[in-house]
Amino acid sequence: QKEVEQDPGPLSVPEGAIVSLNCTYSNSAFQYFMWYRQYSRKGPELLMYTYSSGNKEDGRFTAQVDKSSKYISLFIRDSQPSDSATYLCALKTSYDKVIFGPGTSLSVIP
Amino acid sequence: EADIYQTPRYLVIGTGKKITLECSQTMGHDKMYWYQQDPGMELHLIHYSYGVNSTEKGDLSSESTVSRIRTEHFPLTLESARPSHTSQYLCASSVGDEQFFGPGTRLTVL
Repeated sequence: QKEVEQDPGPLSVPEGAIVSLNCTYSNSAFQYFMWYRQYSRKGPELLMYTYSSGNKEDGRFTAQVDKSSKYISLFIRDSQPSDSATYLCALKTSYDKVIFGPGTSLSVIP
Repeated sequence: EADIYQTPRYLVIGTGKKITLECSQTMGHDKMYWYQQDPGMELHLIHYSYGVNSTEKGDLSSESTVSRIRTEHFPLTLESARPSHTSQYLCASSVGDEQFFGPGTRLTVL
């Protein structure tokens, strides 16, 4: 079983839709949870970072962590064509080990 | 935008050639990383460094080597390229838990 599972998509939604991206993990040692966004032909860039269960909001983006279910989500409200990218979850233990998910490819259609 | 650079961006080379992928960052970060990324697959850590003269192998077995003689420079070398080395190579540096990625080198070995 992989340490981090993520549906690779591709996911295609109309502009303005609410998008839900998810990752599940198996190792309870993960304490820090991140979402990276990767545009085509670019490196990933950090989008959201959280270390506790619950929700964290930043503009149109909300990161949700449920440590008891080992499940994390990223919600995008009012999705825009500029949100079209691959979204990778990244999980980190307290001793610096970071594991990236394979990413979900998102297309927002105008 | 992060100040981390990778050259070349694209490289097509024949089997058996020696190649060096360059990575430089101007942020003064001590920690640097090399990842391998294939379509639909998670990022695999192949090398990392916590400072000058410090290098470690990552989780993914790799035939490449790295050096860290200067803080800002973390080159990766393949002594004898093979078709199995065909992949996207991403360099990153970090401060705290956030990793800053370069744009990547797309390597094709014929």
